[in-house]
Amino acid sequence: LAKTTQPISMDSYEGQEVNITCSHNNIATNDYITWYQQFPSQGPRFIIQGYKTKVTNEVASLFIPADRKSSTLSLPRVSLSDTAVYYCLVGDIEGGTGFQKLVFGTGTRLLVSP
Amino acid sequence: DADVTQTPRNRITKTGKRIMLECSQTKGHDRMYWYRQDPGLGLRLIYYSFDVKDINKGEISDGYSVSRQAQAKFSLSLESAIPNQTALYFCATSRADTQYFGPGTRLTVL
Repeated sequence: LAKTTQPISMDSYEGQEVNITCSHNNIATNDYITWYQQFPSQGPRFIIQGYKTKVTNEVASLFIPADRKSSTLSLPRVSLSDTAVYYCLVGDIEGGTGFQKLVFGTGTRLLVSP
Repeated sequence: DADVTQTPRNRITKTGKRIMLECSQTKGHDRMYWYRQDPGLGLRLIYYSFDVKDINKGEISDGYSVSRQAQAKFSLSLESAIPNQTALYFCATSRADTQYFGPGTRLTVL
């Protein structure tokens, strides 16, 4: 399973755009990149997933360069409630089963201040 | 996510006791998982199950066992609890590429 590296922590202010970059140099051809958000004492919550280029949903955007060795989660106009830990994961969605075995690292602790 | 429930939410027990953590889901998913999370760390996979007849060990299965009683139920047991099993335990389900986590069980082993 590909190992990921992301900053331990980031600080931001309300209304700013936050970009969290994750490195995954050993990503395999079949690996997808998935980001989860976790609030204290709660289970992680799926944010976004992608394979290449750009993916956008109502919560965030995910930018993946052509070599796929890194990815950037972009949170537009963050609010105080976006304070959480963000995990970048890469894993193979096993062909036919759609199963992705996830490996969580320590994540990036984002603190949004007023 | 209210569709994945865990009981109990908090438990304090003593070394050597047998403990069972239960997970139920109403999402109709075939795949279920058990993770543990230690303070300041990410989640580590204990066991996962593709369906009722399929159980697989994760990266830290020693000291744990599981039972998949039905599609909707997946239980985690600690046969003889020890203090370093003190952690936050999460159950999750998935159909394909997205996992849905329960609220967690905070277990303390004295």
